[in-house]
Amino acid sequence: QLHLEESGPGLVRPSETLSLTCTVSDGSIITSSYYWGWIRQPPGRGLEWIGSIYYRGSVFYNPSLRNRVTLSVDTSKETLSLNLTSVTATDTAVYYCARQELFNYYFDHWGQGTPVTVSA
Amino acid sequence: QSALTQPRSVSGSPGQSVTISCTGTNSDVGTYDYVSWYQHHPGRAPRLIIFDVTKRPSGVPDRFSGSKSGNTASLTISGLQAEDEALYFCYSYAGSNGFYVMFGGGTHLTVL
Repeated sequence: QLHLEESGPGLVRPSETLSLTCTVSDGSIITSSYYWGWIRQPPGRGLEWIGSIYYRGSVFYNPSLRNRVTLSVDTSKETLSLNLTSVTATDTAVYYCARQELFNYYFDHWGQGTPVTVSA
Repeated sequence: QSALTQPRSVSGSPGQSVTISCTGTNSDVGTYDYVSWYQHHPGRAPRLIIFDVTKRPSGVPDRFSGSKSGNTASLTISGLQAEDEALYFCYSYAGSNGFYVMFGGGTHLTVL
């Protein structure tokens, strides 16, 4: 059973860069059938798609975050990375990584999420 | 693009049926059959329960069913059980102007 686990700093100061990692196990990032996505959920709000990346590097971003977010993949380490620059309190959320079906776009496996608070 | 619209909460008694609606536009739900639904218990990983509007992944009980009419998708849960109490999110592809996907605001289901 594919397992995804997010990790990160927990607390980030305003204006700094948030860096998160998602480790994939019991499966491989190198798959022609899936993207790998990042999603977040601010407190008391719905889910927001951040972006999706293919193992060969093709990447798609939510236009609302495009100017601040970078997704990458390390196939040798079976990890995904997210960098979000110039964070503010509105970036406080639980961040999830998930596997996304290539043609029908649904997310079929999710991590448990990692909480991130932006505060001085 | 705005999020898909869901009711904030619904409720039902054990054994009853409930339906959660998900309203989008003709740029997302109305055009694409790439609607899926997720069940989320706090502190746990979200779980895919419906994909491609009506399909269930293996292991999901047939008490969960999906449908779509026009710009509105629906999730129906029949024979409510206590463990169904959770947050439910809908989701749709909306890529008429490039790759884009969106979620609903989430509906909290209370089993009375």
